[in-house]
Amino acid sequence: NAGVTQTPKFQVLKTGQSMTLQCAQDMNHNSMYWYRQDPGMGLRLIYYSASEGTTDKGEVPNGYNVSRLNKREFSLRLESAAPSQTSVYFCASSEAISRVYGYTFGSGTRLTVV
Amino acid sequence: LAKTTQPISMDSYEGQEVNITCSHNNIATNDYITWYQQFPSQGPRFIIQGYKTKVTNEVASLFIPADRKSSTLSLPRVSLSDTAVYYCLVGDQPSGTYKYIFGTGTRLKVLA
Repeated sequence: NAGVTQTPKFQVLKTGQSMTLQCAQDMNHNSMYWYRQDPGMGLRLIYYSASEGTTDKGEVPNGYNVSRLNKREFSLRLESAAPSQTSVYFCASSEAISRVYGYTFGSGTRLTVV
Repeated sequence: LAKTTQPISMDSYEGQEVNITCSHNNIATNDYITWYQQFPSQGPRFIIQGYKTKVTNEVASLFIPADRKSSTLSLPRVSLSDTAVYYCLVGDQPSGTYKYIFGTGTRLKVLA
């Protein structure tokens, strides 16, 4: 099925460890996004990529880096994980970075930092 | 920044129509209004989008008054499977880019 695929689905890290969350979409979308969702909260935008080759900060970028590897893939890296980064991470994509087009979300990566 | 305000939670019974209202007083002229649905342990799913008046699809209807300062998502004859969090979004356009801002949404609980 077409959509947004995130890996891994679950991860436990120790404080200070690093890891990369992977995201790929097969809908030929131009724009991709990373959100985090804390328990009982809404989604907060970490980084986004309006098009291949560009990335920009969202609401909560500190502690994260991203790479738009190609049109399909957008990865999120935690260089030195902290307990405050325990959250569910969602990747999303859209046809264009425009109000007109809705997002398609992946199923999420549940990250626990101990 | 076009922020939105929604009720935190709502309860309903199966078979009833549910209306969730969203306030967006600072909506910009070119902004569309978009609603998403999120089930536990899943990413949000696009439900409906509109600019003005009324939009209807197989899932819901969206009512937008002429001043566009609010919108109402209408779910006809809800079932237990409609229990979810519903988000109302309008575009955020700082510096010529577009970023959807999610609030905490409305937690709808459908009771048998």
